[in-house]
Amino acid sequence: GENVEQHPSTLSVQEGDSAVIKCTYSDSASNYFPWYKQELGKGPQLIIDIRSNVGEKKDQRIAVTLNKTAKHFSLHITETQPEDSAVYFCAASIGSSASKIIFGSGTRLSIRP
Amino acid sequence: KAGVTQTPRYLIKTRGQQVTLSCSPISGHRSVSWYQQTPGQGLQFLFEYFSETQRNKGNFPGRFSGRQFSNSRSEMNVSTLELGDSALYLCASTLDRGDYGYTFGSGTRLTVV
Repeated sequence: GENVEQHPSTLSVQEGDSAVIKCTYSDSASNYFPWYKQELGKGPQLIIDIRSNVGEKKDQRIAVTLNKTAKHFSLHITETQPEDSAVYFCAASIGSSASKIIFGSGTRLSIRP
Repeated sequence: KAGVTQTPRYLIKTRGQQVTLSCSPISGHRSVSWYQQTPGQGLQFLFEYFSETQRNKGNFPGRFSGRQFSNSRSEMNVSTLELGDSALYLCASTLDRGDYGYTFGSGTRLTVV
């Protein structure tokens, strides 16, 4: 059935290093792939998204790549900072509509000073 | 502008009771989706409302229901509460159906004892 798998579940990196989180999806019709950051006590916040007609997108220190053939997409954070510590979720739209989005299981990212 | 507002923030209920949670979307947003977040299951899609009609539904029992009002505000109701219903319930809004990029509220933390 519809599924988004996310790895790793926890990630610890040294401040200033890069972090990479990977996801795979099962629905061939998925065409929208957002990434969310959730801090303690808050709801998830959209940080970057990519559509199926684009292979890569960057926004300052954050980038997302998409391989539709392999059904893989990844989040890259460069020059990590303490405020990047949070739980990150990947997600994918289901079917041809973005009205239903399913989420990966989350990655808890910790930045070591 | 005001974000997505969910009330109440915290709720404690007893098994067998029912509960109603409220969500006010961003002004002008017409689509509202609900998610249940638990440590074990992650973010699970409950349902989506648009123009006062349920458009999508997740795999939850009939005890979970919702509605949307003409001003786009939405409520979800859980009847005959079970211990396993303890979770963070998140509401997200978008401008229109098929629009991308949910904006989430901070959620309602429901504890069933």
